[in-house]
Amino acid sequence: DIQMTQSSSYLSVSLGGRVTITCKASDHINNWLAWYQQKPGNAPRLLISGATSLETGVPSRFSGSGSGKDYTLSITSLQTEDVATYYCQQYWSTPPTFGSGTKLEIK
Amino acid sequence: EVKLVESGGGLVQPGGSLKLSCATSGFTFSDYYMYWVRQTPEKRLEWVAYISNGGGSTYYPDTVKGRFTISRDNAKNTLYLQMSRLKSEDTAMYYCARHKYMEAMDYWGQGTSVTVSS
Repeated sequence: DIQMTQSSSYLSVSLGGRVTITCKASDHINNWLAWYQQKPGNAPRLLISGATSLETGVPSRFSGSGSGKDYTLSITSLQTEDVATYYCQQYWSTPPTFGSGTKLEIK
Repeated sequence: EVKLVESGGGLVQPGGSLKLSCATSGFTFSDYYMYWVRQTPEKRLEWVAYISNGGGSTYYPDTVKGRFTISRDNAKNTLYLQMSRLKSEDTAMYYCARHKYMEAMDYWGQGTSVTVSS
């Protein structure tokens, strides 16, 4: 199985600031990478697929980048509603595997 | 509007059984592969079952193989997960999620909670 590592389990960022969340795969996943946002009490919500494609309705302050094994989710102009846990997931190979999550809070 | 609604969770003793359902609407159910994904109390997400759109192919991780069975009724637009010989480590929130081949899981249900405890 491909292991997904999110090195930061917790990040604290100022309102209006910029944050980058990183995700590293144990093998090349050819951009078959998704980012999910999960707020307390809610299911995960798909933000980005194919490493860089923003889902409909997702604010443009979210963006994804990366290639090979290394991927990032960036959020600019951080808003209070962005407080959540963010998970990466590879779907290049079966089984799909998730990172352990990065919890984002406002400083 | 796409909807996935899980039900059937609850408290069950170790060794017991439970059947989860995921009722769907707002999309052509038979076009989609379906997953059951669980989130542990530690908030880890892990896939527990997968079924192809026609139901002919199913897959499980070793942690649940032989104990869990995924199935679907395309006429009723409903996905199922039969869980047996439950263990304490099966305690989690269980979500159903849809996807198409080589696409991400784009819609998830709200989840149903399973607690395995004596």
